[in-house]
Amino acid sequence: NAGVTQTPKFQVLKTGQSMTLQCAQDMNHEYMSWYRQDPGMGLRLIHYSVGAGITDQGEVPNGYNVSRSTTEDFPLRLLSAAPSQTSVYFCASSYRGLRDTQYFGPGTRLTVL
Amino acid sequence: GESVGLHLPTLSVQEGDNSIINCAYSNSASDYFIWYKQESGKGPQFIIDIRSNMDKRQGQRVTVLLNKTVKHLSLQIAATQPGDSAVYFCAETGGTSYGKLTFGQGTILTVHP
Repeated sequence: NAGVTQTPKFQVLKTGQSMTLQCAQDMNHEYMSWYRQDPGMGLRLIHYSVGAGITDQGEVPNGYNVSRSTTEDFPLRLLSAAPSQTSVYFCASSYRGLRDTQYFGPGTRLTVL
Repeated sequence: GESVGLHLPTLSVQEGDNSIINCAYSNSASDYFIWYKQESGKGPQFIIDIRSNMDKRQGQRVTVLLNKTVKHLSLQIAATQPGDSAVYFCAETGGTSYGKLTFGQGTILTVHP
């Protein structure tokens, strides 16, 4: 199994541009989530999904959209990038939910100029 | 709002010493707690978890202690090794935070040979 994969590893955007961060897992996990990690702060939940077709907002959802059309993929879309969205983004998955071991991807480092 | 925090942002130890990393949480309804290890440039990695009906749980070289009375969590690492050098995060979920993990800021553990 490849586990949780994320692409790209690095990305630089200009303010106002849009893009999609990709996340995929091959472990048949129902639960997937997106976090952002900023210096001096812990990970903060952006959006999560408890299964295909079901998504919900986390702590910091503004400026981000998600969809879950398949069990494997959980893309995160930035609608109009802002410098405040400069961060490292992590995708995670688990078999059923938060009380199962969360497996994290390697992260995407995003810079918005 | 509810939060999970750490008492010490950095901890330096000698190889072979025991390490103790502390975490305070404020959500009295939290019923599940996890410790993660994050090495530089990688995503968080699950270390050990504990449910609120327990006050101690042991793994391989690691022990988590939970004191619900004072809402305090600690991670003990026995015979710390240079490979243990990383950032350690506690996280919690439960109560109104069901479906979401709340992370603490993180503690940087440095192990000197």
